[in-house]
Amino acid sequence: GDSVTQMEGPVTLSEEAFLTINCTYTATGYPSLFWYVQYPGEGLQLLLKATKADDKGSNKGFEATYRKETTSFHLEKGSVQVSDSAVYFCARTYGGSQGNLIFGKGTKLSVKP
Amino acid sequence: DTAVSQTPKYLVTQMGNDKSIKCEQNLGHDTMYWYKQDSKKFLKIMFSYNNKELIINETVPNRFSPKSPDKAHLNLHINSLELGDSAVYFCASSQDLYGGGSSSYEQYFGPGTRLTVT
Repeated sequence: GDSVTQMEGPVTLSEEAFLTINCTYTATGYPSLFWYVQYPGEGLQLLLKATKADDKGSNKGFEATYRKETTSFHLEKGSVQVSDSAVYFCARTYGGSQGNLIFGKGTKLSVKP
Repeated sequence: DTAVSQTPKYLVTQMGNDKSIKCEQNLGHDTMYWYKQDSKKFLKIMFSYNNKELIINETVPNRFSPKSPDKAHLNLHINSLELGDSAVYFCASSQDLYGGGSSSYEQYFGPGTRLTVT
């Protein structure tokens, strides 16, 4: 069935380090892909999205490119900040609608000053 | 103004009790959802409602029942609570379920309700 797999955390980085969080999805249908972020004690917020192959989503210095050939949607940021510490979730649509989402298991990022 | 709100934020109760969690969205969205997040942060959809009709009912126990008095509210009622029900429950909403715009399917999440069953 449809699923999303993302790298297990936790990921610990120093401030200004380069971040990559890997995400792959099952190649069924033509899903839209998302990254959501959950800051401590809060609900999830949409970070960025891509709706078709080769689209690049970007927001707050984060980027992810929809790669159909590798079924991937890796999250990257060139220089992380302490305020980026959060749990990051990769997600895809399923079931023929855009509103139904399957989430990956989340990757906790901790950025040290 | 809070877009998606949930009450209560924390809920501690004993096994066997019945409890409800309320959710309200002021975004004018047509679709609302309930998710369960376990202790390992794994997020799983439980229900979604579109125009007051249940359109997803994932494999959750029938002790859980969503109730939508109107488009802006989707409450979650839980009967005979069990230890395994302890989790954070998130409500979310989206403009609609079938797209139609560049952001019409973005989901907006509430702050969560941490349920602890003792």
